[in-house]
Amino acid sequence: DAGITQSPRHKVTETGTPVTLRCHQTENHRYMYWYRQDPGHGLRLIHYSYGVKDTDKGEVSDGYSVSRSKTEDFLLTLESATSSQTSVYFCAIGTAISNTGELFFGEGSRLTVL
Amino acid sequence: GESVGLHLPTLSVQEGDNSIINCAYSNSASDYFIWYKQESGKGPQFIIDIRSNMDKRQGQRVTVLLNKTVKHLSLQIAATQPGDSAVYFCAENFTGKLIFGQGTTLQVKP
Repeated sequence: DAGITQSPRHKVTETGTPVTLRCHQTENHRYMYWYRQDPGHGLRLIHYSYGVKDTDKGEVSDGYSVSRSKTEDFLLTLESATSSQTSVYFCAIGTAISNTGELFFGEGSRLTVL
Repeated sequence: GESVGLHLPTLSVQEGDNSIINCAYSNSASDYFIWYKQESGKGPQFIIDIRSNMDKRQGQRVTVLLNKTVKHLSLQIAATQPGDSAVYFCAENFTGKLIFGQGTTLQVKP
């Protein structure tokens, strides 16, 4: 398995509180991604990074920000969590911008916003 | 909405039979496609991929077929086993991003 660790794996929080999810990789892959997975929607891209300090938006980026200060860490922040952000969040890593290689996924972080 | 389209949400097959999971996509410019398997409580796991200049690719017990004329992708699993029970997602690369379909649940009956 690819060396990807997500933390926390489970979190329950209240509406309006900030939340940060961490993705840590030991593979030295250039590309890192955050997806959310919801019933009826599959996996949707939130943000991705193509290098240290280089990030871009995905299809559902509103309400989320990311940071990548080191190759191995990609943080996803919800500045003020809402109930619509209750979801399972997956981090993925890859060696290319997705058209020449597979993505490796972490085990997921389940977030519940009350 | 989702550009990788719908499918049969659940497919139930007998152990030992072949399974075919279908996926329709809507972006003609997509140049790369991947099938992922997701077991309960885990992240998606790569199964097989195919580029748009191919129409068939085989792996171990799995085959992916691509029909660009009708924008259709299928995953064939030979001699389906209980361990194949999972949700299967197709994904297309469009403008450098992977877009996932909603998934098909494969249930294998003993």
